[in-house]
Amino acid sequence: NAGVTQTPKFQVLKTGQSMTLQCAQDMNHNSMYWYRQDPGMGLRLIYYSASEGTTDKGEVPNGYNVSRLNKREFSLRLESAAPSQTSVYFCASHIVGTQETQYFGPGTRLLVL
Amino acid sequence: LAKTTQPISMDSYEGQEVNITCSHNNIATNDYITWYQQFPSQGPRFIIQGYKTKVTNEVASLFIPADRKSSTLSLPRVSLSDTAVYYCLVGLNTGFQKLVFGTGTRLLVSP
Repeated sequence: NAGVTQTPKFQVLKTGQSMTLQCAQDMNHNSMYWYRQDPGMGLRLIYYSASEGTTDKGEVPNGYNVSRLNKREFSLRLESAAPSQTSVYFCASHIVGTQETQYFGPGTRLLVL
Repeated sequence: LAKTTQPISMDSYEGQEVNITCSHNNIATNDYITWYQQFPSQGPRFIIQGYKTKVTNEVASLFIPADRKSSTLSLPRVSLSDTAVYYCLVGLNTGFQKLVFGTGTRLLVSP
């Protein structure tokens, strides 16, 4: 049981490049989330997926797109990376309707030059 | 979602008890109070959750007064490995969760 896994761990992009951050969970959770964390700050919600087949915008969705590929996987795409998107990205999952809390992945550190 | 206020940083020494207080004046009737811990270069990790009075687990205790406008996370006999950022969150504990993280409290434990 690996919990929540994220790939890659670290990525450097040039401004304007695109990339997809991958997230997978093996806990049969139905809701999944993408957050970003800037230095010295708390986490901010980018997008979430309450259940398979649905996605919604969070607090800071501009510049990002997401895909809930299946129940296990939730990817985050940067179509045209900007330096302002330099951050650490965390994926999390949760079982809706229970008292379970969110489980977080180890994070992807992204640097946009 | 209720806004929370907590100290930016705290310092302690090994073996001491640490109490971190969080203010949440606008907490709603159905809201729970949850604390997460985050080590450098890791994702946040759940510590404890409560609704009222006192909750204790193997890691910490959570004290919530009757008016629920504040809560205190208590870490008994801290060690160097407790150095981390601690986040206080308020919201529903079931259903869909849109967690709102503040800047947290940075706890530094020294020898």
